[in-house]
Amino acid sequence: QVQLKESGPGLVQPSQTLSLTCTVSGFSLSSYGVIWVRQPPGKGLEWMGVIWGKGNTNYNSVLKSRLSISRDTSKSQVYLKMNSLQTEDTATYYCARGQTDYWGQGVMVTVSS
Amino acid sequence: DVVMTQTPPSLSVAIGQSVSISCKSSQSLVYSDGKTYLHWLLQSPGRSPKRLIYQVSNLGSGVPDRFSGTGSQKDFTLKISRVEAEDLGVYYCAQTTHFPWTFGGGTKLELK
Repeated sequence: QVQLKESGPGLVQPSQTLSLTCTVSGFSLSSYGVIWVRQPPGKGLEWMGVIWGKGNTNYNSVLKSRLSISRDTSKSQVYLKMNSLQTEDTATYYCARGQTDYWGQGVMVTVSS
Repeated sequence: DVVMTQTPPSLSVAIGQSVSISCKSSQSLVYSDGKTYLHWLLQSPGRSPKRLIYQVSNLGSGVPDRFSGTGSQKDFTLKISRVEAEDLGVYYCAQTTHFPWTFGGGTKLELK
């Protein structure tokens, strides 16, 4: 069955870089896009970006200068890197397949010194 | 960016009651392929979002037919017939027609 699972550090210091991994199973990254969405505590959902089956990407313009999404199809993994983190980046980060049909469980990331 | 406006922000319902949630977009959500990429998600307490309906009116896999979606262009509605306890949580509409993809602010469904 289709599964996605996020992993990464729970705590990141301000101004540092966040690195998250989304490990997928039950489908091929060459056939489906994967998106990243984040949710600050008690708030709504924000789309961050997508990596498509062909490997091209689209980013939310408000994050574009800090954000990079890549993948390794042989490992069935999608990566998110975002630099210059601030406290406002504290959130639960989700990966999801394509048009939001399957979601991971999310990983909570706190930005704090 | 496309602004998605959901109303009401919260709903208090009794089990067995029917409810509707509205979602209005600031631009038409019809894509160049003729399809409308408007979806409805439910985030149950402490859980990740789950897609209920895709492309306005198509039920997701395993989603009960108590859920239905209607609408076109910029005006969309999610209806839940005969609310059950498992339906409680926050409902979001989401558009994937225009970049950046955007979500409504959410409608919290609570028990009366």
